[in-house]
Amino acid sequence: QAVLTQPSSLSASPGASASLTCTLRSGINVDTYKIYWYQQKPGSPPQFLLKYKSDSDKQQGSGVPSRFSGSKDASANAGILLISGLQSEDEADYYCTIWHSGGVVFGGGTKLTVL
Amino acid sequence: QVQLQESGPGLVKPSQTLSLTCAVSGDSISSASYYWTWIRQPAGKGLEWIGRISGTGSTNYSPSFQSRVTISVDASKNQFSLELTSVTAADTAVYYCARDYWGLEYWGQGALVTVSS
Repeated sequence: QAVLTQPSSLSASPGASASLTCTLRSGINVDTYKIYWYQQKPGSPPQFLLKYKSDSDKQQGSGVPSRFSGSKDASANAGILLISGLQSEDEADYYCTIWHSGGVVFGGGTKLTVL
Repeated sequence: QVQLQESGPGLVKPSQTLSLTCAVSGDSISSASYYWTWIRQPAGKGLEWIGRISGTGSTNYSPSFQSRVTISVDASKNQFSLELTSVTAADTAVYYCARDYWGLEYWGQGALVTVSS
């Protein structure tokens, strides 16, 4: 079982909100981890969006709009990237990461379609 | 403004060593605050962390690459490098370098490396 699992795709309408999940493998407690989120558009390197551990321990990337926010769902053992007020430019691949067992682990990524 | 730029051969033969360099500008690679990182992405696939080196030279490698990867720093040239030995076609990917502080905040544009005879 992968350390981090992300749904492969998600669709949402312009103006709506999208909740992207990053589920940690059973036995790895989301409460103890900082979750990092990245956005990647075709042909470009990823861009750091934010990191989230708790409401008192979080960091927004430079220039990243506040409509991108992080949270956790402890019951699902998952980190969440919430994008509100979806715009067409938000259509991209989104990756989560954690630091685990001495290295960075990437989730498989979620392709967000805005239509 | 911090900028990173990957460079190196775009074609490597199977069983040989892949070597890439990342030139850093706008920051000192010797800073103890940062980690200098290599990540790769095969075409149409997700991101894979290879490893990192600190400004003081300490390294962390992914278990997937541990046996055949070396990351090093050349402070005199303000750059760091990746060596990946015994490559196969599965190592064909875009290789990115990045600076890790409280996240992978700065990335290079990526270098495509193809492994083929």
